[in-house]
Amino acid sequence: AQKVTQAQTEISVVEKEDVTLDCVYETRDTTYYLFWYKQPPSGELVFLIRRNSFDEQNEISGRYSWNFQKSTSSFNFTITASQVVDSAVYFCALSEAGGIQGAQKLVFGQGTRLTINP
Amino acid sequence: DADVTQTPRNRITKTGKRIMLECSQTKGHDRMYWYRQDPGLGLRLIYYSFDVKDINKGEISDGYSVSRQAQAKFSLSLESAIPNQTALYFCATRRTGDLSTEAFFGQGTRLTVV
Repeated sequence: AQKVTQAQTEISVVEKEDVTLDCVYETRDTTYYLFWYKQPPSGELVFLIRRNSFDEQNEISGRYSWNFQKSTSSFNFTITASQVVDSAVYFCALSEAGGIQGAQKLVFGQGTRLTINP
Repeated sequence: DADVTQTPRNRITKTGKRIMLECSQTKGHDRMYWYRQDPGLGLRLIYYSFDVKDINKGEISDGYSVSRQAQAKFSLSLESAIPNQTALYFCATRRTGDLSTEAFFGQGTRLTVV
């Protein structure tokens, strides 16, 4: 069965520090996708990035970067030079075919609450 | 207007009452999902639907039921609300047939059962 674990429940850092959010997943499928979502204090869920299981290249978008390592089943998210506006709950999620029915469920981790202090 | 709209946004109800949360979407997606968010537990899947004739239970469906009235509408019902159903509920949609597509979420419904 698919599973996503975000072991860090809460992280608090001072502004301008770098911070890495960990995500470890379990799946039996060879084809799957991983996602990161951000939930700011306003409550909506904002899509950040997707990565497929065949592409292990790291991704960088401004201050955000993602490190996908299939060997350790991890898809970690790093914020460089953090800012107060980065304060949010961050979710990692896994999408796989989900068996015969092809459920294509999106399974989420528990989330990491990130607080950036000024 | 939002692509995925949930109503109501906030609701307080009493134990034992029946309540319905509604979701409508304008994205034209076939797949619709109901999730529940609790602190420290992330988002857990309650029910999902591939089309109006297909309804499937998620990991925490007990105490809930759903109705897919049309491609664009997917409602979640609590037949007899209990306090541990107090949570933030999200409806989501996804495009059919492609694992890579992200889910699009509604704004959420904060439900409190007293």
